[in-house]
Amino acid sequence: KAGVTQTPRYLIKTRGQQVTLSCSPISGHRSVSWYQQTPGQGLQFLFEYFSETQRNKGNFPGRFSGRQFSNSRSEMNVSTLELGDSALYLCASSLRGTEGDQPQHFGDGTRLSIL
Amino acid sequence: DAKTTQPPSMDCAEGRAANLPCNHSTISGNEYVYWYRQIHSQGPQYIIHGLKNNETNEMASLIITEDRKSSTLILPHATLRDTAVYYCIVRVGGGGTSYGKLTFGQGTILTVHP
Repeated sequence: KAGVTQTPRYLIKTRGQQVTLSCSPISGHRSVSWYQQTPGQGLQFLFEYFSETQRNKGNFPGRFSGRQFSNSRSEMNVSTLELGDSALYLCASSLRGTEGDQPQHFGDGTRLSIL
Repeated sequence: DAKTTQPPSMDCAEGRAANLPCNHSTISGNEYVYWYRQIHSQGPQYIIHGLKNNETNEMASLIITEDRKSSTLILPHATLRDTAVYYCIVRVGGGGTSYGKLTFGQGTILTVHP
């Protein structure tokens, strides 16, 4: 069974540009969450999408946005890039159930560097 | 979600059991204990999770104390490839308002020595 796939793996942008990152969840998983990882702040939750709707949001500015498609694939967009946006962006997918609990499974991330 | 406390680092000899502790004294009755690990430059890898009972899978065992205020992740025969940052996380299970969100702390850096 294929895991979570994130593309691209590496990306270099300059300040002021915008970027779109892509995430394909594990087949059958309908919940997709995004995280930012930096050396200073660690792993921080950005948002979660389920059934094409944002269900949960972390404490990030509006420049960070996302969407989910009907096939559960998700994209996140960062506009007006700042140097501080340099980070590893991780996507995780899970089954969303009401009984017990389901783990999230992570991709290997997109490493974004802002020059 | 309840806060967790882990030692910043631990060492283990290859072939020996690695026992990683986690304190979650404010855990609620509906919160699960999760363990993930992250090897450099990779995404976090799910290891195991549990609610009340001890759990075991092909990777590890999870021992949760009876009062649920602490837990221990056991890697029975550590190898060099188990060197990673290990995260203990507690979160509300099944459809809570924070579903989809994992709150990561600083974790424990486990170094396995030859």
